[in-house]
Amino acid sequence: DTEVTQTPKHLVMGMTNKKSLKCEQHMGHRAMYWYKQKAKKPPELMFVYSYEKLSINESVPSRFSPECPNSSLLNLHLHALQPEDSALYLCASSLPGLTNEQYFGPGTRLTVT
Amino acid sequence: GENVEQHPSTLSVQEGDSAVIKCTYSDSASNYFPWYKQELGKGPQLIIDIRSNVGEKKDQRIAVTLNKTAKHFSLHITETQPEDSAVYFCAASPFGGDKLIFGTGTRLQVFP
Repeated sequence: DTEVTQTPKHLVMGMTNKKSLKCEQHMGHRAMYWYKQKAKKPPELMFVYSYEKLSINESVPSRFSPECPNSSLLNLHLHALQPEDSALYLCASSLPGLTNEQYFGPGTRLTVT
Repeated sequence: GENVEQHPSTLSVQEGDSAVIKCTYSDSASNYFPWYKQELGKGPQLIIDIRSNVGEKKDQRIAVTLNKTAKHFSLHITETQPEDSAVYFCAASPFGGDKLIFGTGTRLQVFP
């Protein structure tokens, strides 16, 4: 089973709202990722958690706050977003090791109004 | 850092024909090269990958080839079907690294 689940599927929020995206995997993977994908572009890495510790932050604005409560769960807390933050937010997971075989979830389509 | 170029950006083929998508990478330390298929409204799906100690890998109608000397790798789809229509992304990853560096994507359309 190579399933990564994400909720919600769609989210519309105002610029003053606080919301959270959730990602879950039960494959025993120890690395989890957040990506942002704009239309007609490749996924753009935001954060990497390895063994529940933040290992990479690609200079993401502080209005995006990741959290890894345990090895199966990954959250992305959103606050005071801008309309240009509207995008597909993808979660992925992998077994850290010699290769980087990442499995993606279906994504959350976020619209900021 | 690593940079991955992907061509063509769009590709239209007749059902039953073959399709080839090519990628070039810059970092000779990269050792893992996956290919993802992304259908409209869905997340990227890993369809095939190749590691630097292998020159070719095949899985039914899809195959990937790697030329380490030239830093090229390619996706080959034979006997294309309309359900192969999607955006395909190549990627490269350095040894032991957590990052995937993606190509810009190829929109493949297979016409019945």
